[in-house]
Amino acid sequence: GAGVSQSPSNKVTEKGKDVELRCDPISGHTALYWYRQSLGQGLEFLIYFQGNSAPDKSGLPSDRFSAERTGGSVSTLTIQRTQQEDSAVYLCASSSRGGAIEQYFGPGTRLTVT
Amino acid sequence: AQKITQTQPGMFVQEKEAVTLDCTYDTSDQSYGLFWYKQPSSGEMIFLIYQGSYDEQNATEGRYSLNFQKARKSANLVISASQLGDSAMYFCAMREEETSGSRLTFGEGTQLTVNP
Repeated sequence: GAGVSQSPSNKVTEKGKDVELRCDPISGHTALYWYRQSLGQGLEFLIYFQGNSAPDKSGLPSDRFSAERTGGSVSTLTIQRTQQEDSAVYLCASSSRGGAIEQYFGPGTRLTVT
Repeated sequence: AQKITQTQPGMFVQEKEAVTLDCTYDTSDQSYGLFWYKQPSSGEMIFLIYQGSYDEQNATEGRYSLNFQKARKSANLVISASQLGDSAMYFCAMREEETSGSRLTFGEGTQLTVNP
């Protein structure tokens, strides 16, 4: 079946502009995660959605970052007033449930803020 | 303190030889999980292997095995019979089930190069 998809694959934006990144999880997966990977670094947790529960937003680096998940499926990560330090690859993952062992990752969106 | 430490930024191995990638972790949770992911140059994250903190046997998946030493808080990945396609970035990660739920905390990775 289809894996996790993300769009766009690449995004170049000017400093100060807002961007929206989209994640389509695997159908039926109730858990969805956003991570950020800066160049040459490991992944940094941003936010986690599980079913209808309140999301775990503890990894969001500032109030310029927000995310929503509509209808328990598609998720959008929004970065307002982008800064150069926001440049990174944003990875989305989903799993069949919150405690499932494997998180299936999407291909990521490479964000470049000029 | 770093929760996941990977001390080898880069490793080289000859094709068909075994290689060990180091990972140490720090947690006060009793229930946690340890993961290894592979990230080829294409950027996708590929799950390799999982070890639960209460698992008494070391996890194995094909050519991958996890050398779990709980008292030392280490979870090294052993790749046997290396192949050219194993060249990639490898990340160790931890899930602290009591304090952090389902999120994963990643190390900074080890770049493995397999030489022919």
